[in-house]
Amino acid sequence: NAGVTQTPKFRILKIGQSMTLQCAQDMNHNYMYWYRQDPGMGLKLIYYSVGAGITDKGEVPNGYNVSRSTTEDFPLRLELAAPSQTSVYFCASSYLQTYNEQFFGPGTRLTVL
Amino acid sequence: GENVEQHPSTLSVQEGDSAVIKCTYSDSASNYFPWYKQELGKGPQLIIDIRSNVGEKKDQRIAVTLNKTAKHFSLHITETQPEDSAVYFCAAEGGSYIPTFGRGTSLIVHP
Repeated sequence: NAGVTQTPKFRILKIGQSMTLQCAQDMNHNYMYWYRQDPGMGLKLIYYSVGAGITDKGEVPNGYNVSRSTTEDFPLRLELAAPSQTSVYFCASSYLQTYNEQFFGPGTRLTVL
Repeated sequence: GENVEQHPSTLSVQEGDSAVIKCTYSDSASNYFPWYKQELGKGPQLIIDIRSNVGEKKDQRIAVTLNKTAKHFSLHITETQPEDSAVYFCAAEGGSYIPTFGRGTSLIVHP
């Protein structure tokens, strides 16, 4: 199993550009999550999904959108990139929603200039 | 919502020493407390977790203790090794079933 994969690993965007961060898992997990990690700030939840076709906002959803058309894929869309979105983005998945380990991808480092 | 405080932000120890990282949480409904280790350039990985009906859990050199009354839990690493150097995150999960993470502790183990 590849686990949770993310592409790209690194990306530099100009202010106002848009992009999609890709996330896929091959563990047949229903639950998937997007976090952003800023230095000294821990992990902040952006969006999560409890299954195909179902998504919900986390703590910091502004400026982002998600979709979940399949169990495997959970892309994160950035519209009109801003310098405040410079961060490391992690996708994660879990088998259950509670009392359950989250499996994280390797992350995407995004810089908005 | 839940608020998780984690201390210290940086911890430097000599190889063979013990390391302790402490977290407090605010939501008394929280009942699951995982700890994640993040090595440089990688995503976090679960190393140990504890549920609210248990006061302590051990796995080889690592242990976690939970005090529900005081709403705090701690990670203990004994006989530290250089490969223990990483960032450690605590988290608390409650009624929303979404974990809230602490800000992380950078552990440095000097050979």
